Amino acid sequence: LAKTTQPVSMDSYEGQEVNITCSHNNIATNDYITWYQQFPSQGPRFIIQGYKTKVTNEVASLFIPADRKSSTLSLPRVSLSDTAVYYCLVDPSSGSARQLTFGSGTQLTVLP
Amino acid sequence: EAQVTQNPRYLITVTGKKLTVTCSQNMNHEYMSWYRQDPGLGLRQIYYSMNVEATDKGDVPEGYKVSRKEKRNFPLILESPSPNQTSLYFCASSYRDRGRRDTQYFGPGTRLTVL
Repeated sequence: LAKTTQPVSMDSYEGQEVNITCSHNNIATNDYITWYQQFPSQGPRFIIQGYKTKVTNEVASLFIPADRKSSTLSLPRVSLSDTAVYYCLVDPSSGSARQLTFGSGTQLTVLP
Repeated sequence: EAQVTQNPRYLITVTGKKLTVTCSQNMNHEYMSWYRQDPGLGLRQIYYSMNVEATDKGDVPEGYKVSRKEKRNFPLILESPSPNQTSLYFCASSYRDRGRRDTQYFGPGTRLTVL
C-alpha cells in the first residue's frame, strides 16, 4: 500500500487560494488519489478524486503530475468554514484490497 | 436521505463489559468499514467488509469483532473493552463506481470511553 506524506499544518487567510501537496512515491499504476475533509468530531467527507492530470469539481481542484508521485489539492478562495483536516489517500487498485490508510492529514486553519 | 447512522453516539462504560456499536447504511453499499481515531494517530481501519458474510481485518483489529449478516448493518463488538479502546469510532460505507475508486460515506462517530 502506498504511503502518503502531507504537511502537518497550514495557515491561510480568508479569500486566498490554498494548495496542499501530498507525496505518494510508491503509488501503483492503477491507484487513484482521493482527498477527504474532516471537521472536529465529524466523519471525513469526500472532496475529490483523480487519476492523472487535473480534476475539478464545485469544491476543489486536484492536480496530478505525469509521474503521479505527488498530488496537490487546491481550494479556491477559502473561508473560515474551510478550517478542517484534509486527508490524502491512495486507493489501491486491487479489488480485494479494501484496506485504506488515512495518514495524519493536514490541519488547515483559515484566519480572518 | 442517504446516510450512515451509528448508535450510540456517546458511551461511557467499564472495563470488561461487553458492548456493541451499531452501524447502518441506507445506500445499498457493498463495502463497509470501521475506523478508530485517536489524537496524533489519525484514522486507523479496524475491520472492513466487502459484502454480506465477508469481513477482514484492517490495521488494528485486536480486541474487536464484527459481523455482516445483512447488507445494511455492520455492528462493531467489543467483547471485553479495555481503557486503550477509548477512542472516537467511525463507520463508513462505500461503493465502487465503474472505472473509479470508492467514495466512502462516514457516519457521525461514536465517542467511547472505557473506565
